[in-house]
Amino acid sequence: QKEVEQNSGPLSVPEGAIASLNCTYSDRGSQSFFWYRQYSGKSPELIMFIYSNGDKEDGRFTAQLNKASQYVSLLIRDSQPSDSATYLCAAGAANTGNQFYFGTGTSLTVIP
Amino acid sequence: KAGVTQTPRYLIKTRGQQVTLSCSPISGHRSVSWYQQTPGQGLQFLFEYFSETQRNKGNFPGRFSGRQFSNSRSEMNVSTLELGDSALYLCASSTRTGRDYGYTFGSGTRLTVV
Repeated sequence: QKEVEQNSGPLSVPEGAIASLNCTYSDRGSQSFFWYRQYSGKSPELIMFIYSNGDKEDGRFTAQLNKASQYVSLLIRDSQPSDSATYLCAAGAANTGNQFYFGTGTSLTVIP
Repeated sequence: KAGVTQTPRYLIKTRGQQVTLSCSPISGHRSVSWYQQTPGQGLQFLFEYFSETQRNKGNFPGRFSGRQFSNSRSEMNVSTLELGDSALYLCASSTRTGRDYGYTFGSGTRLTVV
C-alpha cells in the first residue's frame, strides 16, 4: 500500500467550475499536508499546506483535512485554463527531518 | 532571492557509468532533499541532508549516495547506472522545519541512461 494515494485522473472541468482533487494517506503519524502543482515539463510548486482538521482557504484554493478519515482534498473555485496541471498531494513523514510522501498526482484539464 | 539551482539540466549516460548531480539551495536553507520522479512511481524520496548530515534515507540501493557541503550545496551520486535510473531528479530546499512549510524545488536534472 502506498503512503499517499490519489486518483490519477485525468479530471476535466469546464472553465469557471469547481475542481475537486482528493488524496488519502496511510501514516497516522503524518501531521502536515501539502498540495503542489506541476506543469508539464516543470518542477512542482507549493500551493497550500494544512495541519489542522477542517478547511483552509487561500484565494481560489481551499484545502480540507480530515485526520480521522486520513483524507485530504483541494478545491479550486472558478477554475481557469491556467490551472491545467498535475496536482500532487504530499504528507509529512512521521520522523525527524523534512521527508514527505507524495502521491502520483492527479492530472487536471480546465476546458475553456 | 535566488531559487534552487540544479546542474546540469540534462544528462545522457551509458549503463555502468556513474553520474554526479549538483544542487544549490536557497540562501539560508540548510535542508536539501532529493527525489526521483518517474511517470509510474511519482516522486520517490532518496535522502535528506541537513547541516552536512544525512537525516533520512529512502528505499534506494546503495548505488545512490549524496553529501552536503558546509555552504549547504549538495551533490547526489549514482554509480553503476542502470536503464531504470532514467528519471527526473529533483532537489528540494527548505528550512530546518521544512515539514511545516514545505519545499522549494529546483528545476531538476533529467537523466537518461542508454
